[in-house]
Amino acid sequence: GENVEQHPSTLSVQEGDSAVIKCTYSDSASNYFPWYKQELGKGPQLIIDIRSNVGEKKDQRIAVTLNKTAKHFSLHITETQPEDSAVYFCATGGYNKLIFGAGTRLAVHP
Amino acid sequence: DVKVTQSSRYLVKRTGEKVFLECVQDMDHENMFWYRQDPGLGLRLIYFSYDVKMKEKGDIPEGYSVSREKKERFSLILESASTNQTSMYLCASSYPHRGQNTGELFFGEGSRLTVL
Repeated sequence: GENVEQHPSTLSVQEGDSAVIKCTYSDSASNYFPWYKQELGKGPQLIIDIRSNVGEKKDQRIAVTLNKTAKHFSLHITETQPEDSAVYFCATGGYNKLIFGAGTRLAVHP
Repeated sequence: DVKVTQSSRYLVKRTGEKVFLECVQDMDHENMFWYRQDPGLGLRLIYFSYDVKMKEKGDIPEGYSVSREKKERFSLILESASTNQTSMYLCASSYPHRGQNTGELFFGEGSRLTVL
């Protein structure tokens, strides 16, 4: 069945450093690749997404890159700040539903 | 502001009890979803619904059922709760994106269920 692998499971960086989270997927029909951020005690919230006709998308300090041939996509956060500390989930989807990765717990230390 | 409200943040139930988790959205979204969140497993889809009175099984529907009698409300039902259903349950809604059902999901804050 469809599968999404997310790495690393935990990531610790110093404030100001960059953070990269990677996901690989198995279903070649996937055409939608969102990233969600979940802060403590809250539900996940979409932070950026990309569709398969685009290779890269940027929104201020966050960017997502997609390699459809290799079936992987990545989240890049530059100039990290303590408020970036959260759990991040990648997901992939086709027509009907999203499959989520296991999550990455990012800790940004001042 | 977009809002998905889950009726209970924390519940404690006993094995064998019937459990109702309620979710209401105020965005007039067609699509509603129930996910289960467990450490190391991410979010797994239990059931989803694209319209009133319709439902489709997700990846882990066993032991669960759902009800969607009104567009804004989607209920998750555990007919006979078991300890392996102890988890965080997340409801979400979305609006179709260009004919696809994979648009932005708006999540509630979650319902943490403990089954003793």
